[in-house]
Amino acid sequence: EVQLVESGGGLVQPGGSLRLSCAASGFTFSSYSMNWVRQAPGKGLEWVSYISSSSSTIYYADSVKGRFTISRDNAKNSLYLQMNSLRDEDTAVYYCAAGMVGSGPDYWGQGTLVTVSS
Amino acid sequence: QLVLTQSPSASASLGASVKLTCTLSSGHSSYAIAWHQQQPEKGPRYLMKLNSDGSHSKGDGIPDRFSGSSSGAERYLTISSLQSEDEADYYCQTWGTGPVVFGGGTKLTVL
Repeated sequence: EVQLVESGGGLVQPGGSLRLSCAASGFTFSSYSMNWVRQAPGKGLEWVSYISSSSSTIYYADSVKGRFTISRDNAKNSLYLQMNSLRDEDTAVYYCAAGMVGSGPDYWGQGTLVTVSS
Repeated sequence: QLVLTQSPSASASLGASVKLTCTLSSGHSSYAIAWHQQQPEKGPRYLMKLNSDGSHSKGDGIPDRFSGSSSGAERYLTISSLQSEDEADYYCQTWGTGPVVFGGGTKLTVL
């Protein structure tokens, strides 16, 4: 069974930092590109960041560029998102998602809530 | 610029069929997309990948009631024999240089 389990969310003050993790199992993690997608309260899905299977290609949405850093550890089947200089508008549920490019099925995690508030 | 456009809402009766539309921006009519479903208070679920020729590949466990089709820049998701659990938000998503783009989502109400 495919599982993506996010962790690391919580309440943080504006300007603070947080590191999200995503543990993958049930599929060949090292063969899949990975993404972070977020959803602000009552809003739609917003793509945040992409990392290729070998970490050779990385993209960020303009809204997080320069503040967030995506990384992965294929030996540990894990994906990460380091979030710095957090703003109120970064408040959202953050989802880990496998694939989203090319053929082959996509997989979603259950999400972790990040709340940025003073 | 790669943009996906969806109607904000749709509705259909229990047991009926509904066809949701996702429109690719000009110059991108050959792009494949994916459809994702998000039931209330749940995370998204992958439904299928849909190519420009209408061929599609569904995720594990997705019922036969869900099908996809294409015409030009339009990508469709048809749900037949609507059930109450089909009431959800449906998002189309594609990829390019960037790379991932989501449509705004369609909220489907089952009457």
